[in-house]
Amino acid sequence: DGGITQSPKYLFRKEGQNVTLSCEQNLNHDAMYWYRQDPGQGLRLIYYSQIVNDFQKGDIAEGYSVSREKKESFPLTVTSAQKNPTAFYLCASSKGAGTGAFNEQFFGPGTRLTVL
Amino acid sequence: KNEVEQSPQNLTAQEGEFITINCSYSVGISALHWLQQHPGGGIVSLFMLSSGKKKHGRLIATINIQEKHSSLHITASHPRDSAVYICAVLGGNQFYFGTGTSLTVIP
Repeated sequence: DGGITQSPKYLFRKEGQNVTLSCEQNLNHDAMYWYRQDPGQGLRLIYYSQIVNDFQKGDIAEGYSVSREKKESFPLTVTSAQKNPTAFYLCASSKGAGTGAFNEQFFGPGTRLTVL
Repeated sequence: KNEVEQSPQNLTAQEGEFITINCSYSVGISALHWLQQHPGGGIVSLFMLSSGKKKHGRLIATINIQEKHSSLHITASHPRDSAVYICAVLGGNQFYFGTGTSLTVIP
């Protein structure tokens, strides 16, 4: 089965700790994205990557970091610099790169992060 | 500022009813995306369209580029259609997301 997996589903961390959220896809998609969802708000883009070893900041990149060492994987690290990290995090992927990167998006099941 | 507005915010319907969810946007777009989010949080892509109409099963999506408006219709609604429906528009090099319409279909 092709799809996107995110782990873990629920994650708790203490304030001041960094934490890494996993995102893997076997759809052979070039582009991958990280979004944050808060109650009452639309999804907001954190980072995206159109190709291996390259990524760009989205609207709310501060306090986050990513890497794209493999086509299949796009992990997100929530650092201690992120002021309000408690949220639902969604990873997505799409075919194509360059100007065609933002086409139909396929989403993972999400990770709910709670900072205690 | 909200580039994408959805209405209604919340919707309750009886099973079998015809449902319409609306999406208006203020930016120039190349495509519009309708998404479905179930209570567990996972999001499924329903449609991506740039003109006219698309149909998949009981779901129909239409878009009017001149009026900057799209509608998602559900015919013969069923309790399993209960979810949050999200409209997203592709403008320039990014997606703008609406805050979603929460639909509950009562048996």
